[in-house]
Amino acid sequence: AQSVTQLDSQVPVFEEAPVELRCNYSSSVSVYLFWYVQYPNQGLQLLLKYLSGSTLVESINGFEAEFNKSQTSFHLRKPSVHISDTAEYFCAVTLGDKIIFGSGTRLSIRP
Amino acid sequence: NAGVTQTPKFQVLKTGQSMTLQCAQDMNHNSMYWYRQDPGMGLRLIYYSASEGTTDKGEVPNGYNVSRLNKREFSLRLESAAPSQTSVYFCASSERQGYGYTFGSGTRLTVV
Repeated sequence: AQSVTQLDSQVPVFEEAPVELRCNYSSSVSVYLFWYVQYPNQGLQLLLKYLSGSTLVESINGFEAEFNKSQTSFHLRKPSVHISDTAEYFCAVTLGDKIIFGSGTRLSIRP
Repeated sequence: NAGVTQTPKFQVLKTGQSMTLQCAQDMNHNSMYWYRQDPGMGLRLIYYSASEGTTDKGEVPNGYNVSRLNKREFSLRLESAAPSQTSVYFCASSERQGYGYTFGSGTRLTVV
């Protein structure tokens, strides 16, 4: 069975500091991997995805994630966060025709 | 470009009442999904429809039914609401596997 584990439920960081949100998955087959972001009182938006090819994927707002097959990880990173990055972030993995989500990591930015 | 539209946005029900949550997408997507979101538990799949005319159970289907009315619409019904069904419900659609989901803005349901 596939599962997704987000190791930190909350991550507080100072503005302009780097951040890493951790995600590990378990699967016996090739997978597609996703990060979604949920801003307060909104639905989820796709941030970035890994389908195949380069193991490093980037979003338009400075986030990046690296697919590491040997460690079954897909950690999300940003070198310098902004107040507007305050949100909850969900890692997800495909399971057939549906997607399984992790429990989420709440990123809070301190000025 | 509406994307995925959910109605209503908020609802309060009494225990035992029934209601239907509506979802419609205008992107010609084949697959549609219903999730519930609870604090600390992420999103859990209730039901999904891989294509028009098919529906399948997800992780937490008990207490719910669904109808894929046509390619655009996928409704979720609570026949006899219970306080444990207090949650935020999200509908999503996908063109096909691997493309990711487009989510609606959610329905916040409270059962008292």
